[in-house]
Amino acid sequence: ILNVEQSPQSLHVQEGDSTNFTCSFPSSNFYALHWYRWETAKSPEALFVMTLNGDEKKKGRISATLNTKEGYSYLYIKGSQPEDSATYLCASRGEGAQKLVFGQGTRLTINP
Amino acid sequence: DSGVTQTPKHLITATGQRVTLRCSPRSGDLSVYWYQQSLDQGLQFLIQYYNGEERAKGNILERFSAQQFPDLHSELNLSSLELGDSALYFCASSTRAVGYPDTQYFGPGTRLTVL
Repeated sequence: ILNVEQSPQSLHVQEGDSTNFTCSFPSSNFYALHWYRWETAKSPEALFVMTLNGDEKKKGRISATLNTKEGYSYLYIKGSQPEDSATYLCASRGEGAQKLVFGQGTRLTINP
Repeated sequence: DSGVTQTPKHLITATGQRVTLRCSPRSGDLSVYWYQQSLDQGLQFLIQYYNGEERAKGNILERFSAQQFPDLHSELNLSSLELGDSALYFCASSTRAVGYPDTQYFGPGTRLTVL
C-alpha cells in the first residue's frame, strides 16, 4: 500500500514571496507522480504528471521537480499571488496500478 | 472546466436509503474513476472502469457498486447508506486504461449528506 505524505499541512505566504512544499512517496514500484491544484468548491485541476527521475516541469510561475530514487517531489511557486491560494495535492501511482494514491494536501494561503 | 460533469451537485438523504451518482467523462476519454473524500481524509480511490469494464478496485464497500454504460457515462450506486458515507464523491476521467501515466481530469464532485 502506498503512503503519500505532504508537508506542510498548511502554509501562509505573503504576496510576492516564493514558496515550496514537499510530497513524499514510496520509491519502490514507482510509476508516476501527479500534482493537482484544488480551489474550494471547484474540481481538482491537473498541474503536472512526472515519471522520470530528475524530471522538472513548469507552468507559468509554478514548477515541480521529481526524485524517484529518494521518493520526493517539490512544488515551487514563484512570486505568489492571491489567486494561488488553494490546496495543492500530490498523488502517486505504482507500477501496474491504475489508482492514484493522494496525499492530504498542502493548504496554501496568500496574504495580500 | 475540466469537461467532466457530475450530477447532482448536492444530495441529502437519510440512513438506509439508496442513491445514484452520475458522471459523464470528457469527450474521448474511455476511463472513469471514482474517488471519495471524507472529512479529514484525503481522496480515496474507489473503482475504475475502462470502456465499460471494471479495471481496478480500491477501498469500495460492498454496499457500493458502479457501472459504465455504452455511452461511457458512469454511475456510482450507494445503498444502505450510513452516516459515515457522507462525503464528497469525485469522478475523474482519462484517455487510456494502462501503460501510460495520463492525466486524470476531475469533475466538480457530488456532496452527499446522510442524515
